[in-house]
Amino acid sequence: GQNIDQPTEMTATEGAIVQINCTYQTSGFNGLFWYQQHAGEAPTFLSYNVLDGLEEKGRFSSFLSRSKGYSYLLLKELQMKDSASYLCAVRDSNYQLIWGAGTKLIIKP
Amino acid sequence: ETGVTQTPRHLVMGMTNKKSLKCEQHLGHNAMYWYKQSAKKPLELMFVYNFKEQTENNSVPSRFSPECPNSSHLFLHLHTLQPEDSALYLCASSQDGGSGANVLTFGAGSRLTVL
Repeated sequence: GQNIDQPTEMTATEGAIVQINCTYQTSGFNGLFWYQQHAGEAPTFLSYNVLDGLEEKGRFSSFLSRSKGYSYLLLKELQMKDSASYLCAVRDSNYQLIWGAGTKLIIKP
Repeated sequence: ETGVTQTPRHLVMGMTNKKSLKCEQHLGHNAMYWYKQSAKKPLELMFVYNFKEQTENNSVPSRFSPECPNSSHLFLHLHTLQPEDSALYLCASSQDGGSGANVLTFGAGSRLTVL
């Protein structure tokens, strides 16, 4: 079966750095997505990786290793507004999106 | 209005009621989706419409009935639901259902409670 694993919950301190990991086992690979979802709000697109390596977008970076079936989302200079759930999703060989259950990130002052 | 708009935001219904969820997108996208989001579970894809044609039905019970009258509007008709159907129902759209980056734009969801 197809599976996406990510930690259920993480806690970090304002101003610090946090890395949210995502491992996947899917039938084929056609890209990996990260979405952010604040409580009671719509998920919003953060990043898309299809080739190995690091993609940087301001305070957020996303890394992909296809050979290891692994990605991480790196958040720097954490702010209270970064408290949210972070969803990892992989597109398989049929271009179907397989979703993880999300990581709830709690930022403490 | 811009983005993806869902109404109602909250809905409480009994098991014998009939209600509908509405989704509207103002992005000029050609694909629209219904997802179910339950606590601590992955998003479950329910239905996909691409250029108004249903292209995906992920073994969803017949008590959920989608309707896509045009590429901007999507409905989810609800009938004789069960308490386990209580969840957040998310609508999303994308440029198309094809093989590009195909980023999804989500609505804020309709929180459904079935009594």
